[in-house]
Amino acid sequence: DVRMTQSPSTLSASLGDRVVISCRASQTVDFRLAWYQQKPGEAPKLLLFHASSLQSGVPSRFSGSGSGTEFSLTISSLHPDDFATYYCHQYNTYPHTFGQGTKLEIK
Amino acid sequence: EVQLLESGGGLGQPGGSLRLSCEGSGFTLNNFAISWVRQAPGKGLEWVSRIGASALNPIYADSVRGRFTISRDDSENTVSLQMSSLRVDDTAVYFCARVDGAGYFSLWGQGTQVTVSS
Repeated sequence: DVRMTQSPSTLSASLGDRVVISCRASQTVDFRLAWYQQKPGEAPKLLLFHASSLQSGVPSRFSGSGSGTEFSLTISSLHPDDFATYYCHQYNTYPHTFGQGTKLEIK
Repeated sequence: EVQLLESGGGLGQPGGSLRLSCEGSGFTLNNFAISWVRQAPGKGLEWVSRIGASALNPIYADSVRGRFTISRDDSENTVSLQMSSLRVDDTAVYFCARVDGAGYFSLWGQGTQVTVSS
């Protein structure tokens, strides 16, 4: 199975900050990586797919980059609605696997 | 409104069975593959199973293979997950998700709670 490792596990930041969350795959997943945002008690929400393609309706302050085994999610300027948990997801091979999550907290 | 809605969760006994359903509305479910993803209390996301649009070659995680069966009824616009030989560690919120493009999950249901306990 492809192991997905996110860093950091927890991130404290302030409104307006630029933050970067990293995701590393144990073997190449090509460009087949997605990012989701999840708030407590809610379903995950797709933010980006194919590593860097923004899902319709998602604010442009979210961006993604990377390919192969190294990926990142960047939020250019934190809004109050962005404090949540973020997961990366590889869909290159079965079983699909997710990172352990990064909880973004208000500093 | 385009949405997925899960049902059928609840309390199950170890060794028992439960059946989850995922109903699509606002779009034609049978045009899409559907996956089930679960989330144990306080934990991350775990992919469980997938069924293609043609219902061929369902795929399962090792943790549920041989115990869970995914199926679809296109006439009812639903996908089901039959869960048997339940274990305590099957306790989780179960989400169904629409598979788009190369395999990412573009649309999620709100989730249904499954609790396995004696």
